[in-house]
Amino acid sequence: EVQLLESGGGLVQRGGSLRLSCAASEFTFSSYALSWVRQAPAKGLEWVSAMSASGDRTNHADSVKGRFTVSRDNSKNTLYLQMNSLRAEDTAVYYCAKVGVRGNGDFWYFDLWGRGTLVTVSS
Amino acid sequence: EIVLTQSPATLSLSPGERVTLSCRASQSVSNYLAWYQQKHGQAPRLLIYDASNRATGIPARFSGSGSGTDFTLTISSLEPEDFAIYYCQQRSNWPLTFGGGTKVEIK
Repeated sequence: EVQLLESGGGLVQRGGSLRLSCAASEFTFSSYALSWVRQAPAKGLEWVSAMSASGDRTNHADSVKGRFTVSRDNSKNTLYLQMNSLRAEDTAVYYCAKVGVRGNGDFWYFDLWGRGTLVTVSS
Repeated sequence: EIVLTQSPATLSLSPGERVTLSCRASQSVSNYLAWYQQKHGQAPRLLIYDASNRATGIPARFSGSGSGTDFTLTISSLEPEDFAIYYCQQRSNWPLTFGGGTKVEIK
């Protein structure tokens, strides 16, 4: 089954760090750009970070720039999000999402999502 | 940053009714706009991309239109499984942004 599976979430103190992982199955992982999108409790969707298929381009939302880093290991079919200096406002379900078209183009829509992993930052 | 404003925030409707949801961008996004559906406790699902193209497996009752700054998602006849929250998203400029969502609830 084609899927994404996030892991690594949990409870962390303000100022702490976490690394999220997103494992992909049953598609050519290295051919697709990926993103992290988060959703705070009872709130809407917020794009966080993106990485191109080849891994040479990244983008981060201003709210996480300098604190979060996206990376990928195409040999392990896994996307990562290193989160440092965590704040209470980072509390959310973090989704990994795949774009719908192969390659390093700009088709930044998401046709496959994981179930998400919950990050809770305590103050 | 491009701000997407969705209206209304909530719609109360009955099965079989026609639904029109609005998404307005703070500046032109050309046709680079998508719509997603999210049900409670689930991940979002892509419905429409590039304003008017249905994603794979999406029923024909869902349609999208618009360009520039004004976009519409239409559900021609509401099915029970369509009660959910709908989000728009633009890919015209970084950062990618989502609208605040419209909740379609059962009347």
